[in-house]
Amino acid sequence: QSALTQPASVSGSPGQSITIFCTGTSSDIGGSNYVSWYQQHPGKAPKLMIFDVSNRPSGVSNRFSGFKFGNTASLTISGLQAEDEADYYCFSSTDRSTLVFGGGTKLTVL
Amino acid sequence: EVRLVESGGGLVQPGRSLRLSCAASGFTFEDYAMHWVRQVPGKGLEWVSGISWSSGIINYEDSVKGRFTISRDNAWKSLYLEMKSLRPEDSALYYCARGLDHYATRPFDYWGQGTLVTVSS
Repeated sequence: QSALTQPASVSGSPGQSITIFCTGTSSDIGGSNYVSWYQQHPGKAPKLMIFDVSNRPSGVSNRFSGFKFGNTASLTISGLQAEDEADYYCFSSTDRSTLVFGGGTKLTVL
Repeated sequence: EVRLVESGGGLVQPGRSLRLSCAASGFTFEDYAMHWVRQVPGKGLEWVSGISWSSGIINYEDSVKGRFTISRDNAWKSLYLEMKSLRPEDSALYYCARGLDHYATRPFDYWGQGTLVTVSS
């Protein structure tokens, strides 16, 4: 199972919005309702930010939003803050009942 | 408070075996699917294996299929990963993670801090 495709890095200034795209296939993102996004700060365990395409776990800021169109999922962070600087990973179930992560995107807040 | 504590990592020679454990507390263990995820330091996340609440559904990533075996003991609130025929490319920090519910294809909401496995001669 190949990893989902994400850009290696994105950047934005405080207060701006950024969007991270994650591209898969009809065997994973395109055919799954279980698309999720994780945030990982250096030396820390990942944190679930979005699940089931667009749902936020309790305690996650509403500045984070998710969307899916076809084989591509996206994570938008609005009102960028310094604390948002981290690695972000998309995640999906597949039609083989396996699970797959994207390669990760490093977000830099300028 | 949900807690997941991994143990069993260490330095092992290629071709040898290792058994990882994950002790869970703070929630009803048998109600949730559980997973192992690994990460080479400085690199990305890789899902390794998942097991449903009843052990009825078990899945593996292709590169570990036939070498790794996931299991759980609901009475002891523990998750295990038996790793055989280890390869240098299996070296990573191994995380134990809880699924959102009892289905084995849902994402994970809680993670442990990981146990480091190094495969080297």
